[in-house]
Amino acid sequence: GQQVMQIPQYQHVQEGEDFTTYCNSSTTLSNIQWYKQRPGGHPVFLIQLVKSGEVKKQKRLTFQFGEAKKNSSLHITATQTTDVGTYFCAGIPYGGATNKLIFGTGTLLAVQP
Amino acid sequence: DTEVTQTPKHLVMGMTNKKSLKCEQHMGHRAMYWYKQKAKKPPELMFVYSYEKLSINESVPSRFSPECPNSSLLNLHLHALQPEDSALYLCASSQGDYTDTQYFGPGTRLTVL
Repeated sequence: GQQVMQIPQYQHVQEGEDFTTYCNSSTTLSNIQWYKQRPGGHPVFLIQLVKSGEVKKQKRLTFQFGEAKKNSSLHITATQTTDVGTYFCAGIPYGGATNKLIFGTGTLLAVQP
Repeated sequence: DTEVTQTPKHLVMGMTNKKSLKCEQHMGHRAMYWYKQKAKKPPELMFVYSYEKLSINESVPSRFSPECPNSSLLNLHLHALQPEDSALYLCASSQGDYTDTQYFGPGTRLTVL
């Protein structure tokens, strides 16, 4: 079936270090969305990318959508303790039997002060 | 107002009980979703309602019964659940369809004894 994998599963960084999570889909995606879920919380939408090769920035966060629209990345510059949480990518496969949002496996980020 | 509310926050039920989870949004969104999330896993789609009609049922067991009384409300009726159904149940809504940003509620943490 359609799968969206993220690596790493878990990342522990010192505050101020950079962090990147990678999202890889087994099929071409029409778009990619990123969500953040704090411990004990619910997913909160961060951003959506639609175009091949698209790059978007939100303050210290940089999001990329691959040229083949099968992968994406989220890079955080100079992490802060407020960045702690699980980051999920989620995409909609092109022309699949079901047109639904498929969540990636998630990357849990821990930031040590 | 970008809020999706869910009640109750926590629910403990026995395997013979009948209970309901409720979700409400007042953003004028026409698509509403139920997800199930186990610890350290991504949300798994259960049901999608589009314009108050059930459009996706991800082969969910019949002990889960969704209902959409109107465009702002979504219920999930529970009956004869199993302990493995214990999870966080998330409701979400989006403007039109699954390509749009999904706004998640805080979830109901369900424990089945």
